[in-house]
Amino acid sequence: DAKTTQPTSMDCAEGRAANLPCNHSTISGNEYVYWYRQIHSQGPQYIIHGLKNNETNEMASLIITEDRKSSTLILPHATLRDTAVYYCIVRVTRRLNSGYALNFGKGTSLLVTP
Amino acid sequence: DSGVTQTPKHLITATGQRVTLRCSPRSGDLSVYWYQQSLDQGLQFLIHYYNGEERAKGNILERFSAQQFPDLHSELNLSSLELGDSALYFCASSAIRGNTEAFFGQGTRLTVV
Repeated sequence: DAKTTQPTSMDCAEGRAANLPCNHSTISGNEYVYWYRQIHSQGPQYIIHGLKNNETNEMASLIITEDRKSSTLILPHATLRDTAVYYCIVRVTRRLNSGYALNFGKGTSLLVTP
Repeated sequence: DSGVTQTPKHLITATGQRVTLRCSPRSGDLSVYWYQQSLDQGLQFLIHYYNGEERAKGNILERFSAQQFPDLHSELNLSSLELGDSALYFCASSAIRGNTEAFFGQGTRLTVV
């Protein structure tokens, strides 16, 4: 799996958009970009994933550059409850007759302030 | 609520003891993953089971073992416990077909004293 690089920490004002970058310059053609977050000692929570097109769901948007070497997770209107560690993970979606193990790095600690 | 149930939520035990952590995956999910999260190591993948068979091993110690039963629930057994085994242990499950996201339980906090 390709390695990812994320900033250690970021701040964002409540109500503003939070843009979390991720670098994955060694990503290969069949690898997806996944984002999870972990709110203080709770189980990690899936946010979104994508291959090469931009994706949007009720939680966030994922913007992947054309060369796929980096991506940005966007929380459009951050709230205090979005304070969490955000993990960018690159992984093949599945292997034949097998699941997959997500390899979490250090992630980005996002602090949303009032 | 992710649909993944872990018990117990908290566990305090002494060094040298053995404990069993239990995980019930979401209904219909065949894959179960175990992760360990300690303060200094972050989330570490331990082991993956699919439909009762071991599929992948990560950084799992020989003192640790796991199994997945016919009803798909899984147990993680930790033996000869050491202070350094104190951590949060998470279980996750996922489907194989269609949506491949993993759903995590709320974890078991193990404290070894």
